Amino acid sequence: GIQVEQSPPDLILQEGANSTLRCNFSDSVNNLQWFHQNPWGQLINLFYIPSGTKQNGRLSATTVATERYSLLYISSSQTTDSGVYFCAVGGNNRLAFGKGNQVVVIP
Amino acid sequence: GAGVSQSPSNKVTEKGKDVELRCDPISGHTALYWYRQRLGQGLEFLIYFQGNSAPDKSGLPSDRFSAERTGESVSTLTIQRTQQEDSAVYLCASSSPPPGLAGGRGDTQYFGPGTRLTVL
Repeated sequence: GIQVEQSPPDLILQEGANSTLRCNFSDSVNNLQWFHQNPWGQLINLFYIPSGTKQNGRLSATTVATERYSLLYISSSQTTDSGVYFCAVGGNNRLAFGKGNQVVVIP
Repeated sequence: GAGVSQSPSNKVTEKGKDVELRCDPISGHTALYWYRQRLGQGLEFLIYFQGNSAPDKSGLPSDRFSAERTGESVSTLTIQRTQQEDSAVYLCASSSPPPGLAGGRGDTQYFGPGTRLTVL
C-alpha cells in the first residue's frame, strides 16, 4: 500500500512562531487531506488538497503531486494550534495516514 | 448541518465478549468508512461502503470483525470475542459522491468523534 511519512514527528513552538510540516508519499494519489486532531481526539478537516495551494486564515497548504509531497504551513501559531496534524492520502476507497506531527505551542 | 455521529462514545468490555459500534453518516453521503486508531498511532483503514455494499473489506484485521450498512444510512461495526489488542478508538467517516455525480464535492472524508473501546 501507499506509504506516508510525516516530519518532524514532534515540534515545540513559541506562540507567534511559524512552522512547516511535511508529508511525503510513495505513489500517485487523487486524494490528499490534512487534519488536526484536537486533545479530545476529534479529527478536524483542514484541507482537501490533492494538488495546488490553498489558504485558510493562518494555515496554508501546498501539494506538489508530481514530486509526491505536501506541506502544511502554520503562521503566527497560537496555543489552540496544539495537537496532532495528520496527512492522509489515497483514492476513492480509503485514506492511508501518516503517523502525525505532534505540535505543542507554548505561551 | 449535523456531522458524523458515533455511539457509544466509550465502551469497556471484558475479553471474549462481543461489541457493536454504531455510525450515523452525514445525510446524503453515500460513502462510509471505518478506521481504527491505536494509542499514539495514525489511523488504519478497516472497511469502505458505497451505499450498502462493501467493495473493500481488506482492512478488517480478522474474521472476528464484520460490518454492515443499512441503505445509505447507519453502519454497525461488530467485533466478536474481543481481545485486548482490539482496544483502540474506532472512527467512522463519510463522504459525498465524487465530482460528476449529483452534488459531489470530491472525496473529502468527514470524521465522527470516535468510539473508544477498552477490552479488559
